[in-house]
Amino acid sequence: DVKVTQSSRYLVKRTGEKVFLECVQDMDHENMFWYRQDPGLGLRLIYFSYDVKMKEKGDIPEGYSVSREKKERFSLILESASTNQTSMYLCASRSGDGEQFFGPGTRLTVL
Amino acid sequence: GQSLEQPSEVTAVEGAIVQINCTYQTSGFYGLSWYQQHDGGAPTFLSYNALDGLEETGRFSSFLSRSDSYGYLLLQELQMKDSASYFCAVTNAGNMLTFGGGTRLMVKP
Repeated sequence: DVKVTQSSRYLVKRTGEKVFLECVQDMDHENMFWYRQDPGLGLRLIYFSYDVKMKEKGDIPEGYSVSREKKERFSLILESASTNQTSMYLCASRSGDGEQFFGPGTRLTVL
Repeated sequence: GQSLEQPSEVTAVEGAIVQINCTYQTSGFYGLSWYQQHDGGAPTFLSYNALDGLEETGRFSSFLSRSDSYGYLLLQELQMKDSASYFCAVTNAGNMLTFGGGTRLMVKP
């Protein structure tokens, strides 16, 4: 059974804190993605990675960075959390142009 | 840039047929996907169309017209469990998925 896991389902942080969101996939996929989902805006791509140590900006990379040191793990980093980064964060992985598998999501609240 | 348009909400009754439309503007189009997301859950893959025409998978079918930059998801014999949000997504030349804003489908008894 294929699986994408995220480190937390719910997270509450304070403005200015550094936040790490971790994502792990067990399908040996090359491609991994971070999205944020907000009501009425659908899923917006923050960053993606097509190989270890490779990263590409998505549509809304400002305020975020990523790290991919191992193939199975893709981390999203908020260097200094702000209230407008309160959102649902979804990680996904994919092999080639096939089906994209999503993790359960992390609901982040920044106070 | 890329953009996708789909209705924000659709309501239908159990047993009926519903069609959710998606129009898109993109460069380097590879294909159109559909994902389903129940409240509190993760999006799950439903279908992918790279070529024009209709793809059928059980009660769900998906259609693509590349010349019209248009596709739709057709759900037949609606069940209460089909109440969810449905997203169309375009795969472009960079192998990225760009999602529409989602259509919330409410199935009523």
